[in-house]
Amino acid sequence: SQQGEEDPQALSIQEGENATMNCSYKTSINNLQWYRQNSGRGLVHLILIRSNEREKHSGRLRVTLDTSKKSSSLLITASRAADTASYFCATDSRGDYKLSFGAGTTVTVRA
Amino acid sequence: SQTIHQWPATLVQPVGSPLSLECTVEGTSNPNLYWYRQAAGRGLQLLFYSVGIGQISSEVPQNLSASRPQDRQFILSSKKLLLSDSGFYLCAWSTGEGSYEQYFGPGTRLTVT
Repeated sequence: SQQGEEDPQALSIQEGENATMNCSYKTSINNLQWYRQNSGRGLVHLILIRSNEREKHSGRLRVTLDTSKKSSSLLITASRAADTASYFCATDSRGDYKLSFGAGTTVTVRA
Repeated sequence: SQTIHQWPATLVQPVGSPLSLECTVEGTSNPNLYWYRQAAGRGLQLLFYSVGIGQISSEVPQNLSASRPQDRQFILSSKKLLLSDSGFYLCAWSTGEGSYEQYFGPGTRLTVT
């Protein structure tokens, strides 16, 4: 069953702008991850944030986690055409390596 | 480095025909292995996962089965395909051992006609 829900479902931005998407989940988590999927391809792992962390950076990516609100956000700064993809959040529970994925946010970056 | 392969890349099969999708991982030992299905425009649904040879857990009762005949080989099968089996099938692996990141194959697009 899906644990995470992303918002918005779709996002269209101009190249150079920032893109922000959110993920909400229902039950306690161990980690929250973000993945990217280009059209018709497999998923690529972007970043993992642990439940005791509040913010994490990786290149142009910034992830925040608010466990009290059961939500996370992914910010992509200075977007590029190559960032056009679907982005999924995924959660896991301690000791359980199964992931529960949300439905994803489709991001389109216009040149 | 580790790599994951899936084949075939695309498949068109008639209703009632059998199915066999294969996934192999290179460059690691005793990985956790996963089969997901993704409907168009949707998230991923976990179908099966395996923590070792011959150890398969099913997440969703349906028309499919999985097997792990070798440490780094994971097979998804069906005896008789249904129209509802159409979708994008993804195989993934993880190391387990305290690491939760998963690494995905390129996927198989299955169309049942």
